[in-house]
Amino acid sequence: DQQVKQNSPSLSVQEGRISILNCDYTNSMFDYFLWYKKYPAEGPTFLISISSIKDKNEDGRFTVFLNKSAKHLSLHIVPSQPGDSAVYFCAASEGGTSYGKLTFGQGTILTVHP
Amino acid sequence: DVKVTQSSRYLVKRTGEKVFLECVQDMDHENMFWYRQDPGLGLRLIYFSYDVKMKEKGDIPEGYSVSREKKERFSLILESASTNQTSMYLCASSLYLGSPNTEAFFGQGTRLTVV
Repeated sequence: DQQVKQNSPSLSVQEGRISILNCDYTNSMFDYFLWYKKYPAEGPTFLISISSIKDKNEDGRFTVFLNKSAKHLSLHIVPSQPGDSAVYFCAASEGGTSYGKLTFGQGTILTVHP
Repeated sequence: DVKVTQSSRYLVKRTGEKVFLECVQDMDHENMFWYRQDPGLGLRLIYFSYDVKMKEKGDIPEGYSVSREKKERFSLILESASTNQTSMYLCASSLYLGSPNTEAFFGQGTRLTVV
């Protein structure tokens, strides 16, 4: 039972354009969402997060949007750069004593072409 | 900077061997985790620990065990390695359970091949 789903295995974007990565979840107990970026042969690195009490969080070129009613979140990267090419994982955690235990999506491979 | 260090980047083991994967973190984090990453499946939680000598099963614990004798160290043990345990193994740590807005910090990963 995949509670966090990233339905696009890959995304290809031109440098300077917007990249939009999507993520859907089914568990209504999730209340904290994160995006991680992973390069080959390295561990994932934290990118940006959002609490369920917000619908948007911005950090430089990265913005995460949360639509709780649709159980959907998205990561926008503007403008996209070749160095953004990586695998992006969406993750979620429940409240209470579950903080820190993350459920991940399958990942989306982003390729940014020069 | 938080540092999570896994003892090996690459390992090749034979079927039936007992395998130990070691992880150390230097930020005094209460929580530590072991995930495996497989193509198309994302990261799946094997085991986690929220305190010394405490452990809880994740989503795919079968064939694995863990040990946490010291706060900074969390070991994953493959009791009898099998080829379907060939994978990328990722250790992570985070602040104490219940703290809001907590992200997990990952090690560099161990690519294990079982032949």
